Amino acid sequence: DQQVKQNSPSLSVQEGRISILNCDYTNSMFDYFLWYKKYPAEGPTFLISISSIKDKNEDGRFTVFLNKSAKHLSLHIVPSQPGDSAVYFCAASAQRSGNTPLVFGKGTRLSVIA
Amino acid sequence: DAMVIQNPRYQVTQFGKPVTLSCSQTLNHNVMYWYQQKSSQAPKLLFHYYDKDFNNEADTPDNFQSRRPNTSFCFLDIRSPGLGDAAMYLCATSSGLTEQYFGPGTRLTVT
Repeated sequence: DQQVKQNSPSLSVQEGRISILNCDYTNSMFDYFLWYKKYPAEGPTFLISISSIKDKNEDGRFTVFLNKSAKHLSLHIVPSQPGDSAVYFCAASAQRSGNTPLVFGKGTRLSVIA
Repeated sequence: DAMVIQNPRYQVTQFGKPVTLSCSQTLNHNVMYWYQQKSSQAPKLLFHYYDKDFNNEADTPDNFQSRRPNTSFCFLDIRSPGLGDAAMYLCATSSGLTEQYFGPGTRLTVT
């Protein structure tokens, strides 16, 4: 039973437009959420995170929104660039601690078309 | 640059032949993780070390073992690889907070 779901396996967006990647979770104990980006032949790299005490966190072109009542988070990339083309993984944790496992979604492959 | 290094990047082993994957880190992080990722699937945590304390996930098969001889190195041993163990194996480290830093992975092929 998947606790973290990314229902869109892929997404195509034109360069300069907004990319919105979605993630849903089922475990109400999750209180810390992360997005990772993965290029082919590389490991995932940490992108941005959000704690459940916030509903928005912004870092440059990347913004993560959290809707706790809906158990939903989204990653917005604006403007999208061809270099953003990668697989994006949503991950969740029940505690912001290295001893608490991260649960990952299956990922969404983003293609930004020039 | 501080980093997480995995060797080899590609490993081919025969069915039933033991294989060891290696991970090293220069970040001096106290937590190290091993994940298995199959095609189009989420990375699945196998186990992790918090300093010397070993934490095995409940559904990790006994076929998978791990060693952490010191802070910098961690090994994944697959005692008798089956065809179903072919996957990307990712090592990650953490300073004790949730953000994890991943290596490039080792792609294991079982023939």
